[in-house]
Amino acid sequence: AQTVTQSQPEMSVQEAETVTLSCTYDTSESDYYLFWYKQPPSRQMILVIRQEAYKQQNATENRFSVNFQKAAKSFSLKISDSQLGDAAMYFCAYRSFEGAQKLVFGQGTRLTINP
Amino acid sequence: KAGVTQTPRYLIKTRGQQVTLSCSPISGHRSVSWYQQTPGQGLQFLFEYFSETQRNKGNFPGRFSGRQFSNSRSEMNVSTLELGDSALYLCASSLDRGMRGYTFGSGTRLTVV
Repeated sequence: AQTVTQSQPEMSVQEAETVTLSCTYDTSESDYYLFWYKQPPSRQMILVIRQEAYKQQNATENRFSVNFQKAAKSFSLKISDSQLGDAAMYFCAYRSFEGAQKLVFGQGTRLTINP
Repeated sequence: KAGVTQTPRYLIKTRGQQVTLSCSPISGHRSVSWYQQTPGQGLQFLFEYFSETQRNKGNFPGRFSGRQFSNSRSEMNVSTLELGDSALYLCASSLDRGMRGYTFGSGTRLTVV
């Protein structure tokens, strides 16, 4: 079974600075998808960024980018120019390519933005 | 385009009762998944429905069940509620069973007293 680990329960960053959230995962599969989701106090999980394991190129979405290291099974999220609206819980998630069609989530990292 | 709608937003039930939660996916999405979120266990997969068929089930007791209707709307039922069932229940829909990601609703906060 796949597992996802987020080793930083909490992180804080100054507004406009850059922060990196860590995520590692364990799998025996070669093809899969990885996601970062954001959950603000409104409770709705919002997709931040997605990575396909068979693509070497790291995904980017505006101020959000990932560092995907397949051999190391690492998938970190970098947030540049942090904004107050980025404050939320961030979850790393794994989805099999061919196996069970479900998300396996990490425990989450609570990100605080200091003005 | 309407998002994923979950009703009700909040629910308080007594131990031993049963509860039904509802989820309306984004129009055109045929895959609906349910997750339970608790402070202790985090986010755990309950089940997935696609075209009215349950395709995957998580490691939850039989008290947890669900169904999907022909219009892709889904319901989740929990019978004989226990205190430990208190959680945020999230529904997610997808066009392609999650390959591009899922769109989540705002959840139903269930409190069992």
